[in-house]
Amino acid sequence: SQQGEEDPQALSIQEGENATMNCSYKTSINNLQWYRQNSGRGLVHLILIRSNEREKHSGRLRVTLDTSKKSSSLLITASRAADTASYFCATSKAAGNKLTFGGGTRVLVKP
Amino acid sequence: DTGVSQDPRHKITKRGQNVTFRCDPISEHNRLYWYRQTLGQGPEFLTYFQNEAQLEKSRLLSDRFSAERPKGSFSTLEIQRTEQGDSAMYLCASSPSGGQEGRQYFGPGTRLTVT
Repeated sequence: SQQGEEDPQALSIQEGENATMNCSYKTSINNLQWYRQNSGRGLVHLILIRSNEREKHSGRLRVTLDTSKKSSSLLITASRAADTASYFCATSKAAGNKLTFGGGTRVLVKP
Repeated sequence: DTGVSQDPRHKITKRGQNVTFRCDPISEHNRLYWYRQTLGQGPEFLTYFQNEAQLEKSRLLSDRFSAERPKGSFSTLEIQRTEQGDSAMYLCASSPSGGQEGRQYFGPGTRLTVT
């Protein structure tokens, strides 16, 4: 079974717009990670945020974490057609342990 | 760093046959994970190793599934008497212990189709 839900399940935007997706989870965590997956491929790690952090940035990515609400958000700014992919959040109860993934958000960026 | 590799990339088999997949992790990584992903879903954890020790197995890993990592390097995942419900992408990942707080490096996956 999966840890939580992602919202929305699908998102369609124009190039240059921002994309925001949310992730909720159920149990206490050590860290939360976001991964990207292009169709039929493996997962690429995007960013990791620890449970004692509230916000993190990496290039055009901004991640927030609210442990009181057990939720996280991923913002992609100034989207590009190459950002078209599925995005998954994953939680871990301890560093190095298994990841528990959400159901993913499928993002389509139209040129 | 050549990345995590998996072989084969695609496998089509008939119901009832046995299949074996191989994963080669990044060479200095001592943790290795197997996940399964069905279409439109997120990956689900199957099992993981630290060196050659299998530390955790999911309840998804029925007695038809077995995973090994005999020398703490590559790993194999075998499915016996395959069923149509086994059709999925099987993903392998590795990580160094103590490194980057648990970031995992994924291979390209093996797509299994059971007919």
